[in-house]
This record gives sequence, structure tokens and C-alpha cells, in this order.
Amino acid sequence: KQEVTQIPAALSVPEGENLVLNCSFTDSAIYNLQWFRQDPGKGLTSLLLIQSSQREQTSGRLNASLDKSSGRSTLYIAASQPGDSATYLCAVGLGGKLIFGQGTELSVKP
Amino acid sequence: DTAVSQTPKYLVTQMGNDKSIKCEQNLGHDTMYWYKQDSKKFLKIMFSYNNKELIINETVPNRFSPKSPDKAHLNLHINSLELGDSAVYFCASSQDYSSYEQYFGPGTRLTVT
Repeated sequence: KQEVTQIPAALSVPEGENLVLNCSFTDSAIYNLQWFRQDPGKGLTSLLLIQSSQREQTSGRLNASLDKSSGRSTLYIAASQPGDSATYLCAVGLGGKLIFGQGTELSVKP
Repeated sequence: DTAVSQTPKYLVTQMGNDKSIKCEQNLGHDTMYWYKQDSKKFLKIMFSYNNKELIINETVPNRFSPKSPDKAHLNLHINSLELGDSAVYFCASSQDYSSYEQYFGPGTRLTVT
């Protein structure tokens, strides 16, 4: 049974710091891995999608990596801003569904 | 312009009632999903439909019945609502069910009193 774990559960950093969010999964037989952002009381915004054959994806200040053999993904946020404050969710794709981690609640202080 | 939309945004109802949540996507996708986010913010798949056919039913109680009248719509009907059904329900869609990015709607917050 696939399980997805995100560490840390919460993170508070001062503005400008570079930071890394971690995601691990127990079964490497995944189709893809998707990172989302969720603001309080809002829906999910897709940030990055990494296919199982890829090692990383980049979008602006965000870079996500995928290491299937070790069952890990990281989301790197460069030069963090207060507007980055949100919950970040990692989800692995298995035909027909996403399996989510519990999320990392990020707070970036001005 | 909204890619995946849901109605209503909020739903407050009493135990035992029957209610429906509607979802529409204008992305031309073949696959649609329902996810449930519980009080601890944990998201879990409930159903997925591909070309109007049910492909995943993740051991959801029979009181929940999804209906897909066409590829662009996936509705969720809930019978005999219970307190434990209180949650945020998200609809999502993707080009197909294999390896494509999923796009989520804004969610419907259901409160059962």
C-alpha cells in the first residue's frame, strides 16, 4: 500500500531564505508526482508535475526533484517571500488517482 | 474562464438529508475525480471517471453516488447525510487517468449538523 509522508509538518522561515520541503513514498511504481499549494480555505493549485521518467522540473523560483529508487522528492523554493506562505502538498500518481501526503505548512515572515 | 468549477461552495444541512454537489470542467479532459479533505486536512480519492465510466471507487459508502452525464460533468449525490460526512469535497480533472496533471476545483465545504 502506497504511503506518502511529508517532512516537516510545519516550517517558519524569514523572508529571503532558500528552503527545501521533503516528500517520501513507499512504493516506487508511480506514474508521476505532483506538488500543489493550498491557501487557507481555498482549492489546490498545481505547482509542478514530474513524470516518473524525469528527474526534476522547474518553474520560476520553484524546483522539484524526483528520485524514484529512494522514494523521495524535494521541493526547493528560492528566495522565499511572504506570499509563499501556504500549505504545500505532495501527491504521487497511480493510474486513476493521486495519493497525498499530509502537507507542510509554510510560513514566511517579513 | 474557470477551468474546474463546483457548486455550491458551501453546504450546511442536517443529518439524514440528501444533497448533491455539482462539478464542471471546460478543459476538454476525459477524466474527472472526487476527493475528500477531512478535518485534519488529509486528502483522499473517492471516485474517478474516465469518459463517463467509473474506474475507481475507493471503498466509499453506498450513500455516495457519483454520476457523470457527460465528460465535462461529474456530480456527487449523498444520501442520508451523517456527521462524519462533514468535510471539503474537491472535484478534479485530467486529460486522461494515466500520467497527466490533475486540476482541482475550489472545493465544496459540507457541514452536517
